[in-house]
Amino acid sequence: EIVLTQSPGTLSLSPGERATLSCRASQSVSSSYLAWYQQKPGQAPRLLIYGASSRATGIPDRFTGSGSGTDFTLTISRLEPEDFAVYYCQHYGTSLCSFGQGTKLEIK
Amino acid sequence: EVQLVQSGTEVKKPGESLKISCQGSDYTFTSYWVAWVRQMPGKGLEWMGIINPRDSDTRYSPSFQGQVTMSADKSISTAFLQWSGLKASDTAIYYCARLAGLSTMSFDFWGQGTLVSVSS
Repeated sequence: EIVLTQSPGTLSLSPGERATLSCRASQSVSSSYLAWYQQKPGQAPRLLIYGASSRATGIPDRFTGSGSGTDFTLTISRLEPEDFAVYYCQHYGTSLCSFGQGTKLEIK
Repeated sequence: EVQLVQSGTEVKKPGESLKISCQGSDYTFTSYWVAWVRQMPGKGLEWMGIINPRDSDTRYSPSFQGQVTMSADKSISTAFLQWSGLKASDTAIYYCARLAGLSTMSFDFWGQGTLVSVSS
C-alpha cells in the first residue's frame, strides 16, 4: 500500500504570499494518478489538480501542480482569502486509493 | 449539472444497521465508478472502496473489507453504503464521489456528505 505524507502539517501565510505544499509517496507512483483536493470547513472536498499538473474545470491558474516519482508539489502563487483551507493529495494505484493526511493552510 | 445527492443525517445506536444513499444526476450513472470516503471528526479523508454501478463490481480498502457493504441500483442511479452492526467508531461524515475516469483516477464530483452519529 502506498503511503502519502504531506508537509507541512500546517502552513501559516498571509494573503498575496506564495504557498508551497508537498506530498511525498512511499514509493514511486505514476503522476497520471496523483491528484490534489481542497476542503473548506463544512464542505465536501473539491478536485483542484489531476494527473499531477492538470487543473480541474474552473480552477484558477494560481494553482499549479508539479512533480513526479515520489515527490509532488501544489503551489498557490498568490494567496486569496478563499484559499485558506485544508489540502489533500491522493493517489489511486492498483485497485487501491490513498489520501495524504492533509496540510492546513491558515491565515497568518 | 452533474450532482451527487446523499441521504440525510443519521443518529443510531451501537449494533443497529444502516444504509445510506448517493443519487447521481445529469450524467450516465453506469459510466462512472462511485467511491465512498470516510472523514472522522476533525480528521482526514479515508478511501473505503469503490463500486461500478454498471455491474456492481466492488473493490474495498483492506481497512473496510468486511465492515461495510457497497451496492448500487442503476435503475434509480443510486449507490449505497451499509452497515449491519454499527459501532461508536463509525461516527463520521461519509462522502460519495465520482471517479472521473480510468485515465486520471481522480474524483471530480462529490456528494455533500452524510453525517452518521453512533452513540448509546
